[in-house]
Amino acid sequence: DVKVTQSSRYLVKRTGEKVFLECVQDMDHENMFWYRQDPGLGLRLIYFSYDVKMKEKGDIPEGYSVSREKKERFSLILESASTNQTSMYLCTTRFYNEQFFGPGTRLTVL
Amino acid sequence: AQTVTQSQPEMSVQEAETVTLSCTYDTSENNYYLFWYKQPPSRQMILVIRQEAYKQQNATENRFSVNFQKAAKSFSLKISDSQLGDTAMYFCAFMKQDFNKFYFGSGTKLNVKP
Repeated sequence: DVKVTQSSRYLVKRTGEKVFLECVQDMDHENMFWYRQDPGLGLRLIYFSYDVKMKEKGDIPEGYSVSREKKERFSLILESASTNQTSMYLCTTRFYNEQFFGPGTRLTVL
Repeated sequence: AQTVTQSQPEMSVQEAETVTLSCTYDTSENNYYLFWYKQPPSRQMILVIRQEAYKQQNATENRFSVNFQKAAKSFSLKISDSQLGDTAMYFCAFMKQDFNKFYFGSGTKLNVKP
C-alpha cells in the first residue's frame, strides 16, 4: 500500500513565525501536491512538484513556498505565518490517474 | 479553467436508504477523469469511485454508482443501502488528461442516521 505521511496532525503557530510542513511518501512517485482545505471551498492547490527540485505554482501560491530536495519528501513553507493561513493542509502523490492522500495537518495560526 | 460545483453542502439519509449526491463541472476538454472521494470525520481521504470520460458505461463499486452525463457535464454519486460508516464529507473531483491538476468541488457533508 502507498503510504503518505505528514509530520504533524495538529500544529499551532504564532503570526510571523516560519512554518514547515513535511510530507513523505514511500512509493517513489514523481508527482506530489500540496492543497489547503477550507469549509465551503473544498481543496485548493497551492503547489505541486513533478520531480526533484522542480515545482509549479498552483491556484493559491501566495504566502507559500515549497522544497523538494529528495524524491520522497515535499515540504510546504509558510515564510511568515498569518491568521488567514489557518487551515487543513493535505499532501498527495499521484501515479497515473490515481491520487494518494496524507492524513492532513490542521494548522492554527494565532 | 475547470470548475467543479457541488450544490448540496449537507445531506441526511436514513440507514438502508438510497441517496444521490450531485456534481456538475465545466470544461472544454474532451478526455478527462472524474472522481468521488470520501473523507470520514478526522480520517484520511479515500477514493470511492472513478470514471473515465471516454467510457460511456457508468462506473460502479459495490453500493456506489455514478450517473455520468457527459453532454450535461453532470456526475452524480448514488449510494445504495446507506450505512452508518458512509457518514463523511464527499468531494467530487476532475482531472485533465495531462494529470497535472485535480479540481475539487466544495464538498457535501453526508450524515447517515440510524
